[in-house]
Amino acid sequence: GAVVSQHPSRVICKSGTSVKIECRSLDFQATTMFWYRQFPKQSLMLMATSNEGSKATYEQGVEKDKFLINHASLTLSTLTVTSAHPEDSSFYICSARAGGVQETQYFGPGTRLLVL
Amino acid sequence: GQNIDQPTEMTATEGAIVQINCTYQTSGFNGLFWYQQHAGEAPTFLSYNVLDGLEEKGRFSSFLSRSKGYSYLLLKELQMKDSASYLCAVMDSNYQLIWGAGTKLIIKP
Repeated sequence: GAVVSQHPSRVICKSGTSVKIECRSLDFQATTMFWYRQFPKQSLMLMATSNEGSKATYEQGVEKDKFLINHASLTLSTLTVTSAHPEDSSFYICSARAGGVQETQYFGPGTRLLVL
Repeated sequence: GQNIDQPTEMTATEGAIVQINCTYQTSGFNGLFWYQQHAGEAPTFLSYNVLDGLEEKGRFSSFLSRSKGYSYLLLKELQMKDSASYLCAVMDSNYQLIWGAGTKLIIKP
């Protein structure tokens, strides 16, 4: 149980284009989903927290107009990187939590984004 | 500020035992998690401790002392596939996960 999928697993795009990443909880309803970014050899950095049906809460320093998050259902959240630039190249990982705040977060497999 | 400390890198031998320590200073405490992350992959959940003591799960065990702000992950009968980074994360009073930088574990034959 507690499977989270992410799509695509890898994407290469040109600078200035937008990229959408999907995160799905396959066998449970995720009341809360999290989006992380991880640069090589660094720890996970939380970008935003999203609850189904409400606006995402962004961490300090994360541009909400650049990283659009939609959590339209209890099983799907999307992250859109708008007008991507080479510095946005990173490993983007989502996680989902089934119930209350003390529930374990389960991670998707991650999306590797390379912006040329 | 909030801080999670764990060693950057450790090396151990196949078949041996290794202990990865984690110390934390956070605003409140609502549990400590250990995750395993293989290179190029997302983290996978290993354990959760919220009460003091040792939790054993197969070859992996996790220990917590809340009074000392200390936890360790113990890996027994090490296998080559255990080569990975091990992330310690503490849930603070706001139920936010505070992540350590991870410990890269290298297993040698």
